[in-house]
Amino acid sequence: GENVEQHPSTLSVQEGDSAVIKCTYSDSASNYFPWYKQELGKRPQLIIDIRSNVGEKKDQRIAVTLNKTAKHFSLHITETQPEDSAVYFCAAISYNQGGKLIFGQGTELSVKP
Amino acid sequence: GAVVSQHPSWVICKSGTSVKIECRSLDFQATTMFWYRQFPKQSLMLMATSNEGSKATYEQGVEKDKFLINHASLTLSTLTVTSAHPEDSSFYICSASNRDSYGYTFGSGTRLTVV
Repeated sequence: GENVEQHPSTLSVQEGDSAVIKCTYSDSASNYFPWYKQELGKRPQLIIDIRSNVGEKKDQRIAVTLNKTAKHFSLHITETQPEDSAVYFCAAISYNQGGKLIFGQGTELSVKP
Repeated sequence: GAVVSQHPSWVICKSGTSVKIECRSLDFQATTMFWYRQFPKQSLMLMATSNEGSKATYEQGVEKDKFLINHASLTLSTLTVTSAHPEDSSFYICSASNRDSYGYTFGSGTRLTVV
């Protein structure tokens, strides 16, 4: 089955700096890679996603890159703001294997004003 | 957009009792429902997958007789924690998908505390 590894587990940046979170996956059949932001006690919120036929996707201050050969994908947040502070999860799914969404371990991002 | 309603949002129960958690898809047909458990400061761990009208498929290490899942209709799935113990205290969250589109819609989660 799929296994997703996420690094770092914690990340502290100054407001305005960039933050990068990296994930690797094991199942080459995985073809959809969402990123979620979760605040304490709340449901995960989808912030951006990428499909396996695309190498990069950007939405304002957030971008995701995917390297299918190396089986890794990354989240980039530019011009960070204190409200970006939360736990971020990457995930991977293979629709060919029942569509299970498997999460990485999470990264606690802290943006200091 | 797609909405999944999850109830209750929190529940406290005594050891040995059972608790039922409901997830309803309000504006789409949830062909598949995934149930996750999340302990404090940890990731979401998939417990089981259920397809409408079929028996749930449980992940390794998850007791199917303890965590009963029913997905009798395309809009309702339930998770019953039977004979709950303090170690079952956790955040339980469902996620619904529709076979016709990408994406997963999460319920708001249920905080279960067993005393």
